[in-house]
Amino acid sequence: AQSVTQPDARVTVSEGASLQLRCKYSYSATPYLFWYVQYPRQGLQLLLKYYSGDPVVQGVNGFEAEFSKSNSSFHLRKASVHWSDSAVYFCAVSKTSGGNYKPTFGKGTSLVVHP
Amino acid sequence: AQTIHQWPVAEIKAVGSPLSLGCTIKGKSSPNLYWYWQATGGTLQQLFYSITVGQVESVVQLNLSASRPKDDQFILSTEKLLLSHSGFYLCAWSTGTGDYEQYFGPGTRLTVL
Repeated sequence: AQSVTQPDARVTVSEGASLQLRCKYSYSATPYLFWYVQYPRQGLQLLLKYYSGDPVVQGVNGFEAEFSKSNSSFHLRKASVHWSDSAVYFCAVSKTSGGNYKPTFGKGTSLVVHP
Repeated sequence: AQTIHQWPVAEIKAVGSPLSLGCTIKGKSSPNLYWYWQATGGTLQQLFYSITVGQVESVVQLNLSASRPKDDQFILSTEKLLLSHSGFYLCAWSTGTGDYEQYFGPGTRLTVL
């Protein structure tokens, strides 16, 4: 079974600083990988996804993520954060074949950006 | 463009009372549909999924049920609410025959007193 670990429950950064949110997955093959963002009292929004190919994928609002098969990781990055990036970020993994319609989500990382 | 609507936006209900939450997807035919529950603290728990009208699969048992009466509609319900049902309920849809990205609705906040 697949699993996802987001080791940082909360990350605090200053506006303008760079950001990395960590995600490690466990899956026997290369999975589909996703990052979602949830703003307060809202649903989740897809930031970016990785299916195959270039390990660095670009998302919305300047976010990017890098897939590493050797490290079983899919870390999210942003060069310069804005206070409006404060939200909870979820990493998720899905099977690439024989899907069971049950993607696995991490527990989320709460990002706090200080102005 | 596809849109997903959930209703109501929020509910305050008494323990033991019935509940019905709804979700409608417009602009997408034959979507896969999902219900999630999110506790305070943020962890997402998938409750049900449906890949076609009239067919719903349960993922966890939380004294809740779900139905898909129409292609674009997904209903979550229970006849008797528990305190533990409080939380944020999210509906989502995806496309394809596999586990592709999901698109979430705005959610319903449920408080059980």
